[in-house]
Amino acid sequence: KNEVEQSPQNLTAQEGEFITINCSYSVGISALHWLQQHPGGGIVSLFMLSSGKKKHGRLIATINIQEKHSSLHITASHPRDSAVYICAVSGGGGADGLTFGKGTHLIIQP
Amino acid sequence: GAGVSQSPSNKVTEKGKDVELRCDPISGHTALYWYRQSLGQGLEFLIYFQGNSAPDKSGLPSDRFSAERTGGSVSTLTIQRTQQEDSAVYLCASSPRAALTQFFGPGTRLTVL
Repeated sequence: KNEVEQSPQNLTAQEGEFITINCSYSVGISALHWLQQHPGGGIVSLFMLSSGKKKHGRLIATINIQEKHSSLHITASHPRDSAVYICAVSGGGGADGLTFGKGTHLIIQP
Repeated sequence: GAGVSQSPSNKVTEKGKDVELRCDPISGHTALYWYRQSLGQGLEFLIYFQGNSAPDKSGLPSDRFSAERTGGSVSTLTIQRTQQEDSAVYLCASSPRAALTQFFGPGTRLTVL
């Protein structure tokens, strides 16, 4: 079974700061997903990637398959970015369902 | 709307009762997933459907849990003889086919008294 570790668990930053959230996993995968969950809200998929780097607006996700590591970056952070960010992997051991990290609770203060 | 819908949004039941949770995936999505989110365990995979068949049931926590999908669309998750530890938010997700981005529903919050 894949083990997915995220760090940090909690992060408080000031508006405008550059944010990095890290994720590592233990077994080879077919894809890694970054998800966002606002308080009391649903889960939204931000990225799905299996190699390299993807960018969407102020969000950037990278993955290093050899090191089994991914990072999610937020540039010019804003209070509306405050949410839980969850790393999840699929395809480890042949299963398609996602295995999740425990999430990073991000608070951006104005 | 065109997103994944789930019903009911909230369900309160007594210990020992059976409950049924429903998921309507995005039209045309062949892959459907059930997950649950609880305070103690975080997010966990329960079961995956491709069409009407369930190639991966590995996450179902006990034989009290079952799920079916009919017509390649709507899915029902059934929990028999509910226990307090079943209290959680049950989430459904769908994708156009396996191994693509998953779209999550709003979830059903189940409380077992």
